[in-house]
Amino acid sequence: AQTVTQSQPEMSVQEAETVTLSCTYDTSESNYYLFWYKQPPSRQMILVIRQEAYKQQNATENRFSVNFQKAAKSFSLKISDSQLGDTAMYFCAFMRLNNAGNMLTFGGGTRLMVKP
Amino acid sequence: DGGITQSPKYLFRKEGQNVTLSCEQNLNHDAMYWYRQDPGQGLRLIYYSQIVNDFQKGDIAEGYSVSREKKESFPLTVTSAQKNPTAFYLCASKQRNYGYTFGSGTRLTVV
Repeated sequence: AQTVTQSQPEMSVQEAETVTLSCTYDTSESNYYLFWYKQPPSRQMILVIRQEAYKQQNATENRFSVNFQKAAKSFSLKISDSQLGDTAMYFCAFMRLNNAGNMLTFGGGTRLMVKP
Repeated sequence: DGGITQSPKYLFRKEGQNVTLSCEQNLNHDAMYWYRQDPGQGLRLIYYSQIVNDFQKGDIAEGYSVSREKKESFPLTVTSAQKNPTAFYLCASKQRNYGYTFGSGTRLTVV
């Protein structure tokens, strides 16, 4: 079974600064996807960024980028130029390929507070 | 606009009562999922369905039941056998390997 660990329950950052959220996972699979989801106070889950394990290049989406270290099974999220609207819970998630159900396994989340 | 609609947004259940949470999608997605989220925690999989008339148990299926009679609909029933049902419930759908689209959730409270 896959496990996803987010070791930082809470973090804070000043507006306009950069913050990195950590995520590690455990799997014996070689083909999989990794995701970061954002859950603001509205509780809506929003996809932030996606990484295919077979790609060496780190994914980027505007101010959001990842540092994917496959050998270390690490998948951190960097948020640059933090904005007040980035305040939310952030969840790292793992999806195994060639899995009949393609279920997502989630980490426990990191609560990020962006301070003005 | 395509999306997933969950209803109701808030639901109250009395002890011993069954309640049903609705989840409807117009994205033409094949797979649908139900997750439970407890305060300050991640999401745990209750049930999932890949095609109509088929569904599988997730990690915490006890006390829950589902049906998938139509591609668009995947309702979740919280039965009286679920001893601690107070939680936030999220429905999601997926097409291929891109990732999930989530509904806005239902908060269930036992009164």
